[in-house]
Amino acid sequence: AQSVSQHNHHVILSEAASLELGCNYSYGGTVNLFWYVQYPGQHLQLLLKYFSGDPLVKGIKGFEAEFIKSKFSFNLRKPSVQWSDTAEYFCAVNAQQAGTALIFGKGTTLSVSS
Amino acid sequence: DVKVTQSSRYLVKRTGEKVFLECVQDMDHENMFWYRQDPGLGLRLIYFSYDVKMKEKGDIPEGYSVSREKKERFSLILESASTNQTSMYLCASSPTGDFSNQPQHFGDGTRLSIL
Repeated sequence: AQSVSQHNHHVILSEAASLELGCNYSYGGTVNLFWYVQYPGQHLQLLLKYFSGDPLVKGIKGFEAEFIKSKFSFNLRKPSVQWSDTAEYFCAVNAQQAGTALIFGKGTTLSVSS
Repeated sequence: DVKVTQSSRYLVKRTGEKVFLECVQDMDHENMFWYRQDPGLGLRLIYFSYDVKMKEKGDIPEGYSVSREKKERFSLILESASTNQTSMYLCASSPTGDFSNQPQHFGDGTRLSIL
C-alpha cells in the first residue's frame, strides 16, 4: 500500500531563514506529487504539483520542490520564509493510474516568528 | 475561481444522531471527495464519487455513507454519530477526467463535535 511520510511534525523558524520540509513516499511505480498548504482559518490550497518533466517545480509564493526519484522524495523548499508562511503543509501522492485517490502525509506545522 | 461550499463551519450533535454534512461545488466538477482531518493524522479519505450516483470507499468508510444525487452536491452521512467521529471534515472536488492527476479544490471544512 502507498504511504507518505512527513518527517517534521512542527518546524519553528525566524523570518528570512531557509525552509526545507521533507516528504517521502512508498510506491514503486510512477507517481503524481502535490504539496498543499492550509493557512490558519483557511481552506487547503495547492502550492505546487509534479506530474512529469523537470523534477524541480516552482509553485506559488516562492515555494519550490524537487522530485528525486531514487530517494522517493519530494521535499518542499523556500529560500527565505516570511511570517505569513505560518501554516500547515501537507504532501500528497498518488499512483499515475486512472482512478487512484490521493494519499496525504500527516502534515507539518510551520511557525515563523518575526 | 472554484468554490466548494460546506453548509456549516461548526456543528454540535449528540451520540446516536444521524448527521448530514453537505457540500456544493459550483464548477461542474465530476469528482468529489470527503476527508476527515485530525491532528497528527493528516487527511484521511472517507468516500469519493466520480459521477452522479457513483461512490467509492476511501480508507476509512466505516460509520459513514454518502449520497450524490446531483452533480454539484455530495453529502456525507453519519448513520449513528459516535464520539470518535468528532473531527474536522473537508470536502473537495476536481474536474472531469482522471482525478489522479487533477489538483483538488477544498472547502473551508466543518468542525463536528459529537457529545
